[in-house]
Amino acid sequence: DTGVSQDPRHKITKRGQNVTFRCDPISEHNRLYWYRQTLGQGPEFLTYFQNEAQLEKSRLLSDRFSAERPKGSFSTLEIQRTEQGDSAMYLCASSLASLTGNYEQYFGPGTRLTVT
Amino acid sequence: AQSVAQPEDQVNVAEGNPLTVKCTYSVSGNPYLFWYVQYPNRGLQFLLKYITGDNLVKGSYGFEAEFNKSQTSFHLKKPSALVSDSALYFCAVRDIRNQAGTALIFGKGTTLSVSS
Repeated sequence: DTGVSQDPRHKITKRGQNVTFRCDPISEHNRLYWYRQTLGQGPEFLTYFQNEAQLEKSRLLSDRFSAERPKGSFSTLEIQRTEQGDSAMYLCASSLASLTGNYEQYFGPGTRLTVT
Repeated sequence: AQSVAQPEDQVNVAEGNPLTVKCTYSVSGNPYLFWYVQYPNRGLQFLLKYITGDNLVKGSYGFEAEFNKSQTSFHLKKPSALVSDSALYFCAVRDIRNQAGTALIFGKGTTLSVSS
């Protein structure tokens, strides 16, 4: 399968702990996005990379959140000192930016975080 | 501010009947519009997009959507519903004024239930 993959699929952690999620995009895609989805809501944008450069961050991305894409391939999203309000599904998506403008984003299955 | 509204939390339709899932948007410039579908425990799947050109766009699984600029709407349609179409549907918009930013703004989602 050559789609977007995310690991782990589920994570349960205690409040105050740090967690890290990984996303592997579709191999030829140069753009990678992180979204957060809570129950009954649509995904909300967190941050976006073009290759290894983080080009855009949402106000939702507090200073406890950090994302990296060190070699322009996979990405990690770390949440430090987790809070119960961080409980959500974290979605990764990728897309290919080209002169023809393929703007659709392809999503991974998500990582469901539960903070107890 | 950019936004997407899906006025119906749930749409119920009998198998074989036509279905419509409504979406209206608000952007300052010209929109890029998307529909995604989410099945339980799976990521969002891209259905179709409107970028420019014909107002009626066709997508995966027999779905189509009609872009109406005067009504700022992008309703999802299918001539004959299948039980397997039952899922959560999201409309999303990107404001093309912001060429560098590619974040999608999602609606809250509409649950489609097709009965046999």
